[in-house]
Amino acid sequence: SQQGEEDPQALSIQEGENATMNCSYKTSINNLQWYRQNSGRGLVHLILIRSNEREKHSGRLRVTLDTPKKSSSLLITASRAADTASYFCVRRGETSGSRLTFGEGTQLTVNP
Amino acid sequence: DTEVTQTPKHLVMGMTNKKSLKCEQHMGHRAMYWYKQKAKKPPELMFVYSYEKLSINESVPSRFSPECPNSSLLNLHLHALQPEDSALYLCASRRTGQNTEAFFGQGTRLTVV
Repeated sequence: SQQGEEDPQALSIQEGENATMNCSYKTSINNLQWYRQNSGRGLVHLILIRSNEREKHSGRLRVTLDTPKKSSSLLITASRAADTASYFCVRRGETSGSRLTFGEGTQLTVNP
Repeated sequence: DTEVTQTPKHLVMGMTNKKSLKCEQHMGHRAMYWYKQKAKKPPELMFVYSYEKLSINESVPSRFSPECPNSSLLNLHLHALQPEDSALYLCASRRTGQNTEAFFGQGTRLTVV
């Protein structure tokens, strides 16, 4: 894909376990953002990491960014059934103006 | 108010109909977006407006016609659509600047019959 890859495409875990999702991209970025989508409706912003940052935390979320490898990961700790959703990484490229480009997404299922 | 409001929530239209999707935000955001999302796929960018001017058109067919009449409102006019245009249409807005998040509406689920 020209947009980049996310893996895994689907992830099923038990409540209380950690979930890790990965995102790779091909062009230089200004920032990388993670969004969540429940049941195919609106998206909710989770966290934004700038190109000069390596790690960021927000509650149970931890995002890392490896700029030389052009990859990012989202870790959700102590998962809950309510975390079941699709998760997307969204890239804002250095030369793409206002364009926000979505990765393929990971469908996370957290079993109670 | 951190909401982006899209209307209608659902729309069924025939291939010869003309309809419009509406998106409204009152956060003072000057960048507004239309995305199209098919089932089990990521959203695909259609249009971006910046300061009420069209800045990005991702080679979208002319049967989709965007309009930004003011800084709070974004419309998507639909005419002579095809069944394959059935999808969830998402609107988003963002404060201009390099590192700002986007706020998304709940989408309009469009079915073309």
